Amino acid sequence: NAGVTQTPKFRVLKTGQSMTLLCAQDMNHEYMYWYRQDPGMGLRLIHYSVGEGTTAKGEVPDGYNVSRLKKQNFLLGLESAAPSQTSVYFCASSYSMSRRNTEAFFGQGTRLTVV
Amino acid sequence: EDQVTQSPEALRLQEGESSSLNCSYTVSGLRGLFWYRQDPGKGPEFLFTLYSAGEEKEKERLKATLTKKESFLHITAPKPEDSATYLCAVQAGAGGTSYGKLTFGQGTILTVHP
Repeated sequence: NAGVTQTPKFRVLKTGQSMTLLCAQDMNHEYMYWYRQDPGMGLRLIHYSVGEGTTAKGEVPDGYNVSRLKKQNFLLGLESAAPSQTSVYFCASSYSMSRRNTEAFFGQGTRLTVV
Repeated sequence: EDQVTQSPEALRLQEGESSSLNCSYTVSGLRGLFWYRQDPGKGPEFLFTLYSAGEEKEKERLKATLTKKESFLHITAPKPEDSATYLCAVQAGAGGTSYGKLTFGQGTILTVHP
């Protein structure tokens, strides 16, 4: 039982390049999320998904796209990277709100630097 | 808009010196308040969920409490291995419309010296 797995763990991009961050969970969770963590800003929600084939915008969605083609996977894409997207990205998953326990479980993070 | 404020930003303790971390919040319809621990270079690790005012939960040297406006994380006789950043987050939407989204505070960096 690996929990939430993110790949890659580190990446350096040049401005304008694109990339995809992959998140996989093996807990059969309905909900999945992408957060970014910046010094002094805390964790902020980028996009989230409440089920296979669904996605929605969070607090800071601009410059990112997501897809959830399979229940266990949630992809975060950067089409044209900018230095402002330098951050640590965390994927998380949780059961749906129909359950009592809705705590989110987080991956180990992806440290992205855009130069 | 939901808001979470944690204090202090950083706390240095001697081993065995008990203290508390504060998490103040404003949210429309609290469904749950969560505490996480984050070690350097790692993702947040779940500690507790509190659902209603007056609720308390304990785990080893940690005890979390909740009122209608704030939560405290009490650390009793801390050890150096308790050093980490402690994050507080709220989940809104008592009607089930929040979809589990969390609003986080900025965290408290705890350092425990031997």
